[in-house]
Amino acid sequence: GAGVSQSPSNKVTEKGKDVELRCDPISGHTALYWYRQSLGQGLEFLIYFQGNSAPDKSGLPSDRFSAERTGGSVSTLTIQRTQQEDSAVYLCASSTRQGASGNTIYFGEGSWLTVV
Amino acid sequence: GNSVTQMEGPVTLSEEAFLTINCTYTATGYPSLFWYVQYPGEGLQLLLKATKADDKGSNKGFEATYRKETTSFHLEKGSVQVSDSAVYFCALSGNTPLVFGKGTRLSVIA
Repeated sequence: GAGVSQSPSNKVTEKGKDVELRCDPISGHTALYWYRQSLGQGLEFLIYFQGNSAPDKSGLPSDRFSAERTGGSVSTLTIQRTQQEDSAVYLCASSTRQGASGNTIYFGEGSWLTVV
Repeated sequence: GNSVTQMEGPVTLSEEAFLTINCTYTATGYPSLFWYVQYPGEGLQLLLKATKADDKGSNKGFEATYRKETTSFHLEKGSVQVSDSAVYFCALSGNTPLVFGKGTRLSVIA
């Protein structure tokens, strides 16, 4: 597609349930990122994938969070046993290559997660 | 590690006023610097960027100059419009994924 596509756009889930958020990056982009934007907070880096390299998971807040990227394209962010503090907008982004000078990262519109 | 500090908002201005949003950074090496904008109900969009010292990024009347000596990348616009109301994020990128500031909400009133 023309841009980064995320689904669902909105998700309400009960505390303790698992959720999966999907990201379809721009075709040809080898780098894919997940960020979290909480109310009143900035953007918190969660995880990024670069080609076939091992992902950088340094931003994941707990072991309840995981992500995978299949075939170097679509990515799924999974949150297990959701808690109310997980409520946030989860943003996916992609770029041609991490670290390239001036490399522009393109964001999707986000998945708004509400845990009740 | 890398970090970005930007002025806290919210900032409220009248139409045609001059805008400055301050941004300073801490980084190793020679990062690229960015301003992203998030309009109400929309996703993050790149506003402008600069990849080396003294570069000036510009777009839609906004400008920012990469100042290595002061480690700053302040955003400016000479005459804001109501349509500029949004949240603005300063960010840097080097050998790590984009690091963002906390964002500055701008409201422009007619």
